[in-house]
Amino acid sequence: DAGVTQSPTHLIKTRGQHVTLRCSPISGHKSVSWYQQVLGQGPQFIFQYYEKEERGRGNFPDRFSARQFPNYSSELNVNALLLGDSALYLCASSHRGDTGELFFGEGSRLTVL
Amino acid sequence: AQSVTQLDSHVSVSEGTPVLLRCNYSSSYSPSLFWYVQHPNKGLQLLLKYTSAATLVKGINGFEAEFKKSETSFHLTKPSAHMSDAAEYFCVLRGGSYIPTFGRGTSLIVHP
Repeated sequence: DAGVTQSPTHLIKTRGQHVTLRCSPISGHKSVSWYQQVLGQGPQFIFQYYEKEERGRGNFPDRFSARQFPNYSSELNVNALLLGDSALYLCASSHRGDTGELFFGEGSRLTVL
Repeated sequence: AQSVTQLDSHVSVSEGTPVLLRCNYSSSYSPSLFWYVQHPNKGLQLLLKYTSAATLVKGINGFEAEFKKSETSFHLTKPSAHMSDAAEYFCVLRGGSYIPTFGRGTSLIVHP
C-alpha cells in the first residue's frame, strides 16, 4: 500500500508569492494534519482535518489555510510568503482525528527568497 | 492541558553502548504515546507506540520503551547503539484532543 504522499518535494518562491502544497493520505485514513518544521526545530502543528472538517488549528497567522477534499486528500495554502515561512512542511494521516498513530509523508521543502 | 517534555536536547553515546532518551508527559486523559525518528531531510518514522496495552513496548530496530504511569514517563532505550541510529527522536502524545503534542526532540549522536 502507498504511504502518505506529498507534492511538490521541493520548491522555491519569492516573498509575497503564494504556495499550495498537496497531501494524499493512506487509503482509508480520514484524518490529515499539517506541520511546519523549521531547520533545527521540532514539527509545529498547523491544522488538523477529520472527515473534511477543521478540527484543530495551531498558532499560525491567517495567511495559512487548508482544506480537505471528499477523497480525504488535502491542500495547505500559504499567502504573502515571508522569508520565515521557509521550512519543511509535513503532512500526516491517521485513522482517527484524536488518537492513534500518525503516518508522515516525506515533506515539502519550501524555500522563500 | 497536555504536555511532553524531552529532558535532553542532545544525547551522545559510543557505538555498542546503551541508549536512553527520556520523555515525561502530562495528560488529563489516558494517553497514547509514540516515539518517532527523523533522519535529515526526511519525514518522521514511527519507532513504537503505547496505547494502553502492555506497558513495555517493543519497536523497530531494537528499540523499547516502558510506560510508567506513576512517574508519567515513557523513556526510549536500546541496548546497543549503532551508527545508523544517529538521528532526531521525538516523543508524541495523543488523546483527548485533535492536536497532537510533540516534544522538542532529542538529537542522538553516535561516536565510532
